[in-house]
Amino acid sequence: DVKVTQSSRYLVKRTGEKVFLECVQDMDHENMFWYRQDPGLGLRLIYFSYDVKMKEKGDIPEGYSVSREKKERFSLILESASTNQTSMYLCASHRNYGYTFGSGTRLTVV
Amino acid sequence: GQQLNQSPQSMFIQEGEDVSMNCTSSSIFNTWLWYKQDPGEGPVLLIALYKAGELTSNGRLTAQFGITRKDSFLNISASIPSDVGIYFCAGKNTNAGKSTFGDGTTLTVKP
Repeated sequence: DVKVTQSSRYLVKRTGEKVFLECVQDMDHENMFWYRQDPGLGLRLIYFSYDVKMKEKGDIPEGYSVSREKKERFSLILESASTNQTSMYLCASHRNYGYTFGSGTRLTVV
Repeated sequence: GQQLNQSPQSMFIQEGEDVSMNCTSSSIFNTWLWYKQDPGEGPVLLIALYKAGELTSNGRLTAQFGITRKDSFLNISASIPSDVGIYFCAGKNTNAGKSTFGDGTTLTVKP
């Protein structure tokens, strides 16, 4: 069965910290995505990548960056965490049909 | 960016009832998808629709791709407690996969 693994289910970080959220997929997919989920706002696309070392901004990239050094791994980086980045972060990979999502990382910035 | 309006925002129903939710867009999509998110988990793909007018079933779930390509609906028949969760519609236009999501419909089923 295909699998997308996010390294942490829960994280608590301090304001100003640099935060790394890791995502690994075992399906050899080219396309990977980072979304954040907030109540009443659905899923909003932060960044995506169509191949190794390639990245494109989504709808809300401000305050975030990404890294894709290997095909299976797509990292989301919060350069200087702020309280308004407290959210659920979902990683997904895609080939022909729909997404396969990870279980999510619930990040709290204090 | 593209906007998807999903309704209703939430539903409270009795076990055994049928459920209907829909999604409308200001622009055309080539593919419509429906996902379900269980509490504490990531969304899981339920149904994918590829052709305007297409009607597709997956067990008790039925979804349709609107003829204008700007809308889709999802029906759940004879609801059961494990249908509880958040249902998201999504539209996309490329095979590369970038999708736009609705805000979700939260379904509660009372036994």
